[in-house]
Amino acid sequence: AQSVTQLGSHVSVSEGALVLLRCNYSSSVPPYLFWYVQYPNQGLQLLLKYTSAATLVKGINGFEAEFKKSETSFHLTKPSAHMSDAAEYFCAVSMDTGRRALTFGSGTRLQVQP
Amino acid sequence: DGGITQSPKYLFRKEGQNVTLSCEQNLNHDAMYWYRQDPGQGLRLIYYSQIVNDFQKGDIAEGYSVSREKKESFPLTVTSAQKNPTAFYLCASSPGKAEKLFFGSGTQLSVL
Repeated sequence: AQSVTQLGSHVSVSEGALVLLRCNYSSSVPPYLFWYVQYPNQGLQLLLKYTSAATLVKGINGFEAEFKKSETSFHLTKPSAHMSDAAEYFCAVSMDTGRRALTFGSGTRLQVQP
Repeated sequence: DGGITQSPKYLFRKEGQNVTLSCEQNLNHDAMYWYRQDPGQGLRLIYYSQIVNDFQKGDIAEGYSVSREKKESFPLTVTSAQKNPTAFYLCASSPGKAEKLFFGSGTQLSVL
């Protein structure tokens, strides 16, 4: 079975500071991993995905994530937070060998302080 | 514009009533999904469909039903058997395998 664990339901950073959102996964097959962002009262948008190519994945809005097999981690980072980054972020993993659906983590709400 | 349309945006259910949430996509995607979102619990998979006239239960299918009679449509019925239906419901689609999901803007369901 596949699952993801997001450490920290709320993260607060100052504008301009480093953003680090943590995600650990478990998977019985080589994982496909994703980060999605959700703004209030909206659906989710894909930030970036890892599908067994380069371990450092760059996404939209300056975000990137590094796949570390030895640590079973896929943490999301951004060097400098912007006020517009305030949102909820979800890590997800392909659910089964047929990659027929995604399993999502519980989410991390990012606050950016001025 | 291509995308996924969910309606209504807000829905209220009376005790013992079945309600149906609409999800339509014009992206020509084969796969469609329904997720339920509760605060602090992330998204949980209710049902998914890889192809017309076929669908599979997700992790929390009890109290819900779906149909997939057309490629572009995947309605979700919340039955009276679902005792705690208040949640934000998200529909999504993907071209095939779940490598990139496109989400609708959601339906907030509340119980009167």
